Amino acid sequence: EDQVTQSPEALRLQEGESSSLNCSYTVSGLRGLFWYRQDPGKGPEFLFTLYSAGEEKEKERLKATLTKKESFLHITAPKPEDSATYLCAVQANDYKLSFGAGTTVTVRA
Amino acid sequence: KAGVTQTPRYLIKTRGQQVTLSCSPISGHRSVSWYQQTPGQGLQFLFEYFSETQRNKGNFPGRFSGRQFSNSRSEMNVSTLELGDSALYLCASSLAATGGGYTFGSGTRLTVV
Repeated sequence: EDQVTQSPEALRLQEGESSSLNCSYTVSGLRGLFWYRQDPGKGPEFLFTLYSAGEEKEKERLKATLTKKESFLHITAPKPEDSATYLCAVQANDYKLSFGAGTTVTVRA
Repeated sequence: KAGVTQTPRYLIKTRGQQVTLSCSPISGHRSVSWYQQTPGQGLQFLFEYFSETQRNKGNFPGRFSGRQFSNSRSEMNVSTLELGDSALYLCASSLAATGGGYTFGSGTRLTVV
């Protein structure tokens, strides 16, 4: 069974304090790994798709990287508006998306 | 460009009743998938439809069913509601046949009393 584990569960950062979120996974044939951001009461918002080990994607203060066993989401110089729950998901060859429990990031001004 | 639309946004049902939730995907998107989100279990995959065919199903009881219409709109039905079915139900659509980046709707908050 496909498994996705995210760590830490929660992260409290000072504005400007860079950090990384981890997503480790086991999947039977990786079709893609996805990062989403979710704000309270809303649906997840798509951030990145990574398809193969070594791939990197960037968007503003966020950068996602992928290895054969894990992915990292780096947040550089975060701002309070980056506060959200960040979700990692893997898609196997059967098209199922398996989500991790998420990392809740709080950025204090 | 309109996003993924889910209706209704909120719903309160009584145990034992049934409920139907609706999802209109982004125009042109043919893949629609459904998820249940609860604080304890997180986001769990229910099923996925592509071109009116159920392509995959998660580990949920048969009380949970769905369908997709020729215009790609999808409905999800839950029969004989239980208290534990209270959750945020999310729909997501994708353009590519192989999945790719899924766009989620805002969800339907179902409360079973």
